Amino acid sequence: EAAVTQSPRNKVAVTGGKVTLSCNQTNNHNNMYWYRQDTGHGLRLIHYSYGAGSTEKGDIPDGYKASRPSQENFSLILELATPSQTSVYFCASGEPGLGEDTQYFGPGTRLLVL
Amino acid sequence: GDSVTQTEGPVTVSESESLIINCTYSATSIAYPNLFWYVRYPGEGLQLLLKVITAGQKGSSRGFEATYNKETTSFHLQKASVQESDSAVYYCALGESNYNVLYFGSGTKLTVEP
Repeated sequence: EAAVTQSPRNKVAVTGGKVTLSCNQTNNHNNMYWYRQDTGHGLRLIHYSYGAGSTEKGDIPDGYKASRPSQENFSLILELATPSQTSVYFCASGEPGLGEDTQYFGPGTRLLVL
Repeated sequence: GDSVTQTEGPVTVSESESLIINCTYSATSIAYPNLFWYVRYPGEGLQLLLKVITAGQKGSSRGFEATYNKETTSFHLQKASVQESDSAVYYCALGESNYNVLYFGSGTKLTVEP
């Protein structure tokens, strides 16, 4: 059973619209992450979280907000979507320290902003 | 900064041929980076293929191997005989034992032809 799930899996949005990408994990991990992946780039970190109520900026946070209302859920919010945010978005969970440093990824959300 | 550079794709090989995907890293802020190979099969999220946390050690999984070479700052992925089912995108990444983030390479798309 998938431990990290994302919804929606595909999304078409209009420029200026609001988009919310959701992620749920059943790993009971403290850390969660949002990445985007574009051709020619590795996964680039947008926001991450150490636990419920916490959000931290990653390498490319501009134009994105994040929300971690619970241990299980971590959302990525595009308040005013732009075509440059067309990408594939991956959520991950992890439990750094204690020798467990692997991240577990969701299947990705493909976002197209027209 | 910390970064990873890997073989640009796409890479196409025939079944039963050998494979090497190059990965070199730069770890300026991480004294003892951990090194990872992740794989994304079509329609799935990223999953850990193998990891090595000690310089000089070799990791292996599903017939793939990678050796952590601190002298050459490399972590090349090799397989002696690939199969069609190995067709996927492979990502090299680095992090630290108590990491907060992983740094990913741009990914190498591998296609194995029958």
